[in-house]
Amino acid sequence: QSALTQPASVSGSPGQSISISCIGTRSDVGGYNYVAWYQQHPGTAPKLMIYDVSDRPSGVSDRFSGSKSGNTASLTISGLQAEDEADYFCISYSSISTVVFGTGTKVTVL
Amino acid sequence: QVQLQESGPGLVKPSQTLSLTCTVSGGSISSLSYYWNWIRQPAGEALEWIGRVYANGNTNYNPSLQSRVTISVDTSKSQFSLKLSSVTAADTAVYYCARGLGIKFDPWGQGTLVIVSS
Repeated sequence: QSALTQPASVSGSPGQSISISCIGTRSDVGGYNYVAWYQQHPGTAPKLMIYDVSDRPSGVSDRFSGSKSGNTASLTISGLQAEDEADYFCISYSSISTVVFGTGTKVTVL
Repeated sequence: QVQLQESGPGLVKPSQTLSLTCTVSGGSISSLSYYWNWIRQPAGEALEWIGRVYANGNTNYNPSLQSRVTISVDTSKSQFSLKLSSVTAADTAVYYCARGLGIKFDPWGQGTLVIVSS
């Protein structure tokens, strides 16, 4: 199974909105509504931000939202803040009862 | 509040077997609603799912690692373990354990660095 494809980097100014794509196949992203997004600051464990494509765990800001169209899932961060600068990974269920991660995206707040 | 903690050697020689244990506290490892994962991350690189185990011992592995990986669970000790055989420098990474429910991996352990070197 191949890793899901994410852009290496995305940047934006404070207050702007940015979106991160996560491109898979019909065997993973396109086939199931089981996509999650994680935020990772340097030297720390990943933090769950979105699950089941668009659900937010309690305690996660509503500035974070998720969506999916076909084989592509997306994470949108609105009202970008300095604290949002981090790495973001998508993850999807895969048809062979496995899980596949995305390649990761570094978000920079200008 | 469930917490996970990885433990094991931080240095492994090439061709040997990497062995790590994840201890679960604050909750039961025996629930079949959850599954228990190993994930790794080489420095500066993406996360890679290694595999998972359920409380009944059922497992699923990343196809790219399947020939070298064994994940097991010991519910009496609230622990699950990872064994990765025939390691090379490419297996050097931070190894995380995490609880899974659906596609949610939460919580995670703090991670442990394993270096493969002679």
